[in-house]
Parts: sequence; structure tokens; C-alpha cells
Amino acid sequence: SAVISQKPSRDICQRGTSLTIQCQVDSQVTMMFWYRQQPGQSLTLIATANQGSEATYESGFVIDKFPISRPNLTFSTLTVSNMSPEDSSIYLCSALGHLNTEAFFGQGTRLTVV
Amino acid sequence: TQLLEQSPQFLSIQEGENLTVYCNSSSVFSSLQWYRQEPGEGPVLLVTVVTGGEVKKLKRLTFQFGDARKDSSLHITAAQPGDTGLYLCAEYGNKLVFGAGTILRVKS
Repeated sequence: SAVISQKPSRDICQRGTSLTIQCQVDSQVTMMFWYRQQPGQSLTLIATANQGSEATYESGFVIDKFPISRPNLTFSTLTVSNMSPEDSSIYLCSALGHLNTEAFFGQGTRLTVV
Repeated sequence: TQLLEQSPQFLSIQEGENLTVYCNSSSVFSSLQWYRQEPGEGPVLLVTVVTGGEVKKLKRLTFQFGDARKDSSLHITAAQPGDTGLYLCAEYGNKLVFGAGTILRVKS
């Protein structure tokens, strides 16, 4: 199994500012992902964080808005840039276990943009 | 990316009742997983099904994978308040894509 620590757990931000969310895994993993989730709804994949190369973004998400870093096999960051109230959501980090058969998730970052 | 449909979207039942949640796709799943998420937590894996017709049991939960691998169901027997949560099916390939989710509320 993999234990994922995400921080901050929540934040309230002013529109127009940026927030960087950190994700730390307790073991080396090959695949890391970032999701967005509205309360009570499903998870939408933002991007796959690739170690040593640019992240792979899903349709509707762009690097300028959601820059992602993955400097090593245990750490990734997601930045929500130039925030607007529409960015208010829960952001979750995920990693595949070493057998690549199970995804583990952080507890999420609840972001409110005012 | 294929579309995963889940039904029902919301289910509110009394303790002791049985329920079934469905997950359907327009195309064949490579493999399918079921997750459960509680408020304030990330989803936790319940089961992975890979083979058409496969049935897996996890205590009071029974998971079925359709013969054609385009649908799956989760059946809970004698639901308990602790089963309350968001249930998500997901296609597992080189990334995990989730269905819309089913919110289950079990009242005591």
C-alpha cells in the first residue's frame, strides 16, 4: 500500500491568486495523478504527473492554469493559477501502488475561492 | 475515453435493506474497479474485476462483471449505516477514469 499526504487540507483564497498543493507519497511510485471533485460528485482527472517530463493533461485542462511538477518518484505539486470562484473544489492526489493494480488517494485539499 | 454511467445517482434506504448499484459503459472495460469514499477522505479500493462473468464477494458486498465486460454491479446485502458513502466505479487502464458515482445513505 501507499500512504499519501496532501497539504494544505483546506484553504480560502482570493480570486486572482495562485495556490500550490503538495502531494507526498511514502514510497516510490511510477504513476501519480491529480483529480478535481465537487462535494458529493465523482472525480474528474486533471492530469497525469510524469516524473522528469511535462504532465499529460486531460481535455479541458491546460498547463497554464494547472501547472504540475513531479521532481521525483515520491512527490508532486499542483498549482491552481489565477483562481476564480469556479475553481472552488476538492483537489485530490493519487498514486498507483507498486503493482500498478490499485490507486491510493490523499485526503484532498478543499479549496474555496472568494 | 469511454463514458461510464452509474445508477442510481442517489439511494436512501433503511438499515437491513438490500441494494444494487450499476455501472455501464459504451465499450468494453479493460478492467473495472469499485471504490468507496467517505466524506473528507479519498476513495478506497473495494475490488477489481477483470474477467467477464466474474463474481467477487467482500463480506456483505457482491460484485459482478458482465459477460461482455461492458457492465458491472455492486450488491449490498442487509445494508448498515456504516455502508453510507459515495460508491464509484472506475475503468482501470493506464489511468483511472471514474463513473458519476452513487451516493448511498443508510438510515438506522
